[in-house]
Amino acid sequence: QQPVQSPQAVILREGEDAVINCSSSKALYSVHWYRQKHGEAPVFLMILLKGGEQKGHEKISASFNEKKQQSSLYLTASQLSYSGTYFCGTTLEGSGGSNYKLTFGKGTLLTVNP
Amino acid sequence: NAGVTQTPKFRILKIGQSMTLQCTQDMNHNYMYWYRQDPGMGLKLIYYSVGAGITDKGEVPNGYNVSRSTTEDFPLRLELAAPSQTSVYFCASSRTTNTGELFFGEGSRLTVL
Repeated sequence: QQPVQSPQAVILREGEDAVINCSSSKALYSVHWYRQKHGEAPVFLMILLKGGEQKGHEKISASFNEKKQQSSLYLTASQLSYSGTYFCGTTLEGSGGSNYKLTFGKGTLLTVNP
Repeated sequence: NAGVTQTPKFRILKIGQSMTLQCTQDMNHNYMYWYRQDPGMGLKLIYYSVGAGITDKGEVPNGYNVSRSTTEDFPLRLELAAPSQTSVYFCASSRTTNTGELFFGEGSRLTVL
C-alpha cells in the first residue's frame, strides 16, 4: 500500500518553513524519510518508529502520529541546499519493519529560491 | 569508502537485448536491494538479498533476474529488454534489514528503444 505524500510540490524562499506529510490508510510500524537531489541517489534523513516519537536535529525534524497513521517532515528556516525531492517510505504493522517491505511514496518536490 | 558502486551509469539498449547492471558494496552489508525509479512514481523494489546465495522477489520482479554469489556483489540481469524497462535503477544496501538505513548507489539510467 503506497503512502500518500502531500503536497506534491512546494516552492519556498530561503528562510521560510515547510511541512511535508506522509499518510497511510493502514497501521504503520515505521516511517523512513529520504531526500534526493536531481540526478543523484536518495540520501537517508531519519527513521521513526510507531510510538509517536519525534526525531531530528537542527532544522529538519519529523513526527509520527500513530493514531492518524501519518508522519510529517518539518523543514525550518530553509536553505538553498534543502532543495530536492523528499520521499517517505513506510512499513506496515506486523512487518517487523523489514526494509524489503518498505513502500515509498511518490515524493514531494521542494524548491528553495534565494 | 566507496559505499555502493553501480555500473554502467548510462546505457541504451535495443528491444530484445540483454544486459547486466553491476552493483558492489564495500561496507560488508548482508542486505542488498534493487529498485527502479520511474518519473513521479517513487521507488519500486525489484529484488532483494539477505545474504550471499539468498535472493527473493520484490514488488516488480518480472523481466529481471539477480544472483548473489558474494557479500559484495549483487548484479541485476535484464533479459529480453522491453521499452517498459526504461527507468533509473538504484542498488542499495543496509547493515540491518529491520528499520535500517539504506545506502544507495548513484543509479543507472537505462533506455530501451
